[in-house]
Amino acid sequence: TQLLEQSPQFLSIQEGENLTVYCNSSSVFSSLQWYRQEPGEGPVLLVTVVTGGEVKKLKRLTFQFGDARKDSSLHITAAQPGDTGLYLCAGPNQAGTALIFGKGTTLSVSS
Amino acid sequence: NAGVTQTPKFQVLKTGQSMTLQCAQDMNHEYMSWYRQDPGMGLRLIHYSVGAGITDQGEVPNGYNVSRSTTEDFPLRLLSAAPSQTSVYFCASSYRQGTSPLHFGNGTRLTVT
Repeated sequence: TQLLEQSPQFLSIQEGENLTVYCNSSSVFSSLQWYRQEPGEGPVLLVTVVTGGEVKKLKRLTFQFGDARKDSSLHITAAQPGDTGLYLCAGPNQAGTALIFGKGTTLSVSS
Repeated sequence: NAGVTQTPKFQVLKTGQSMTLQCAQDMNHEYMSWYRQDPGMGLRLIHYSVGAGITDQGEVPNGYNVSRSTTEDFPLRLLSAAPSQTSVYFCASSYRQGTSPLHFGNGTRLTVT
């Protein structure tokens, strides 16, 4: 069974701090996606990583896909209160019929 | 551009009642799916559809039915609600099955007493 494990489960930091959250699996994924979900809303796609070793930047957010395509990380530089939310990673199942999700990292950034 | 629209936003049911959660998308996506989100459990796939007239089960299909008569609509039916179905339900659509990014609705929060 493919699983995506995210860590840490919860993270509470002050504005201006840097942080990294992780998405790990024992399975190889053809791609991984990262979503952010705010309270009362559905998840919204941030980025898709496809190539092993790939690094993508979205303003202060840096996403990396592991060389073996079994893991990914999200690094936020100088976190702001607007970064608060649930961060989810997701990847296609082996049959290619659906996306499976990790349980997420809940980030709280206080000013 | 509305994207994915879910109704209702909130619902309270008594055990044994039935109801339909509505989902509509205006992006002409072939693929649509239903997930439930529970604390500590993440998003789990209930049912999905790759096109009008075609549906299949996901990870947690028991107690739920779906149909897909049009490209736009993908309703989720609870036949006889149980407290274990208390959850937040999300409908999502994408251009292509499996690998394409999902566009989510804003969810239906269901409580079964």
